[in-house]
Amino acid sequence: SQQGEEDPQALSIQEGENATMNCSYKTSINNLQWYRQNSGRGLVHLILIRSNEREKHSGRLRVTLDTSKKSSSLLITASRAADTASYFCATDSGNTPLVFGKGTRLSVIA
Amino acid sequence: ETGVTQSPTHLIKTRGQQVTLRCSSQSGHNTVSWYQQALGQGPQFIFQYYREEENGRGNFPPRFSGLQFPNYSSELNVNALELDDSALYLCASSTHRAPSYNEQFFGPGTRLTVL
Repeated sequence: SQQGEEDPQALSIQEGENATMNCSYKTSINNLQWYRQNSGRGLVHLILIRSNEREKHSGRLRVTLDTSKKSSSLLITASRAADTASYFCATDSGNTPLVFGKGTRLSVIA
Repeated sequence: ETGVTQSPTHLIKTRGQQVTLRCSSQSGHNTVSWYQQALGQGPQFIFQYYREEENGRGNFPPRFSGLQFPNYSSELNVNALELDDSALYLCASSTHRAPSYNEQFFGPGTRLTVL
């Protein structure tokens, strides 16, 4: 079963625009992570945010976490064609394994 | 690119056959997790190995089995292959085992097609 659900399923933007993806989950979590996957290859870790954190930044990435709403968002600023990929959120809680959502497919058009 | 490697890259098998997939973890990582990713879906956890012992298993039947070796490399074995086993199989290594999670370093995956 998949705990996290990303929204939207697909997103198409112009280069230079910002991209925002959302993740909702069902049960309390310890951590939430965001990963990127290019064309069915391996996933690349972007950011890990802990349940007691509200916001984290890494370069052009900004992640927020709202545990009261059981949701997180990933913002990519000034997007580039190279950001075209699928983005997944993954959550862990207690002794449960890392659970991934179905992902958001981002297309950045040059 | 991470230091995690997987072999083979692609594999075609027929129903009922058996397959072994291999994964070399990143240097210094003692934990390996295996995931199955069907087309258009997110990765689903199969199991995790920590220092050669299974440390958690997802909702997969016993015909999915694994091993971890003293050098922390790992194998995923699938017996009696079914058409639904067609997927991308990913391994990920890390320095923390469940229930403490940190960054997972993924390999490029093995694409398995079952005919």
